[in-house]
Amino acid sequence: GAGVSQSPRYKVAKRGQDVALRCDPISGHVSLFWYQQALGQGPEFLTYFQNEAQLDKSGLPSDRFFAERPEGSVSTLKIQRTQQEDSAVYLCASSLEEDYGYTFGSGTRLTVV
Amino acid sequence: SQQGEEDPQALSIQEGENATMNCSYKTSINNLQWYRQNSGRGLVHLILIRSNEREKHSGRLRVTLDTSKKSSSLLITASRAADTASYFCATADRGSTLGRLYFGRGTQLTVWP
Repeated sequence: GAGVSQSPRYKVAKRGQDVALRCDPISGHVSLFWYQQALGQGPEFLTYFQNEAQLDKSGLPSDRFFAERPEGSVSTLKIQRTQQEDSAVYLCASSLEEDYGYTFGSGTRLTVV
Repeated sequence: SQQGEEDPQALSIQEGENATMNCSYKTSINNLQWYRQNSGRGLVHLILIRSNEREKHSGRLRVTLDTSKKSSSLLITASRAADTASYFCATADRGSTLGRLYFGRGTQLTVWP
């Protein structure tokens, strides 16, 4: 597609609920990143895929966070038993190569109530 | 954790004036990138400068990099109201996952018509 597409755009979850956030990267982009952006802060790294391989997940805050990219294209970030501190904008970015600028999606704003 | 630190945190100027934002970082880098983010939107890649480059231009943007001082600056010339946004520097660090970016907290630029 023309850009990185993320859905849903907004998600309100009750505390304890599981959520799944979807990212459709630009077709053919090898690298895919997930970032978390709290209000008034810069994005913080969560995890990185090269094709279907998850090469770095050191930024995931806890074992409640899980990401996958089974066929090397669409990726899903899952958060189990959501907590209030999970409220943030979750950004997905993709790139053809690692040493390039990234194309970011518009993000999913998650609010946990 | 955030690596880059932008200065100033907020900048307010009139249309037609130049805007200069600075970024300092702590470690050795492969490249440094600047992104723009409009309120409630994803990040837009502006420019990438590699560690062996000192200056780069793109339209009204001029970026400098001083690796000895671990600092970069972004100059926007002849600013327009549409340039109003948050601007983030992001570093791709040597020794880190290839392509992983460390963002600062950003500079909020307001350009008054």
